[in-house]
Amino acid sequence: DAGVTQSPTHLIKTRGQQVTLRCSPKSGHDTVSWYQQALGQGPQFIFQYYEEEERQRGNFPDRFSGHQFPNYSSELNVNALLLGDSALYLCASSPPSGANVLTFGAGSRLTVL
Amino acid sequence: AQSVTQLDSHVSVSEGTPVLLRCNYSSSYSPSLFWYVQHPNKGLQLLLKYTSAATLVKGINGFEAEFKKSETSFHLTKPSAHMSDAAEYFCVVPGPGSARQLTFGSGTQLTVLP
Repeated sequence: DAGVTQSPTHLIKTRGQQVTLRCSPKSGHDTVSWYQQALGQGPQFIFQYYEEEERQRGNFPDRFSGHQFPNYSSELNVNALLLGDSALYLCASSPPSGANVLTFGAGSRLTVL
Repeated sequence: AQSVTQLDSHVSVSEGTPVLLRCNYSSSYSPSLFWYVQHPNKGLQLLLKYTSAATLVKGINGFEAEFKKSETSFHLTKPSAHMSDAAEYFCVVPGPGSARQLTFGSGTQLTVLP
């Protein structure tokens, strides 16, 4: 049974560019959350998607946006990239009945030059 | 709002010796608390969770944690460290939004020396 899969695993962008990261949730899970983990820090909550809508949002600017598709997969988009956006981006999924049972993917490491 | 503070950014132990990773929480009521582990190039994995059923919580790989309300602590312990325990450990609390939104501590890097 595949867990949470994320793509790409690594990518390099330059300042001002846009990036899209993708996440496929664990089978049977319907909620997807995104976290940003800067080097040497704990993950920080970006937002959460359920039923194709953003349900919760952390303290991140509007440059960060997302989408959830009918098959529950999700995308994270970041516009106008800044050097400070360099981080590991983690996707987590959770099942319909599991309030705080999260399964995390291995992440997408973004480097902004 | 609930929050957690991990008291050590780095802990180094010898293989076979006990492990203690410290976490204090701040909450106006008895919270749920978790410990997650992150190995390089792998996803975060839940080690154990406290949900008020029992103050001593046993997790995977021989880890356990004790919830102490009087000390507002939730320290992670293991009697004997293995080389494979070397990783980053996070103390975590749900919220401040829904229960599915998690707030992570800053992490403790555990090094296990041969």
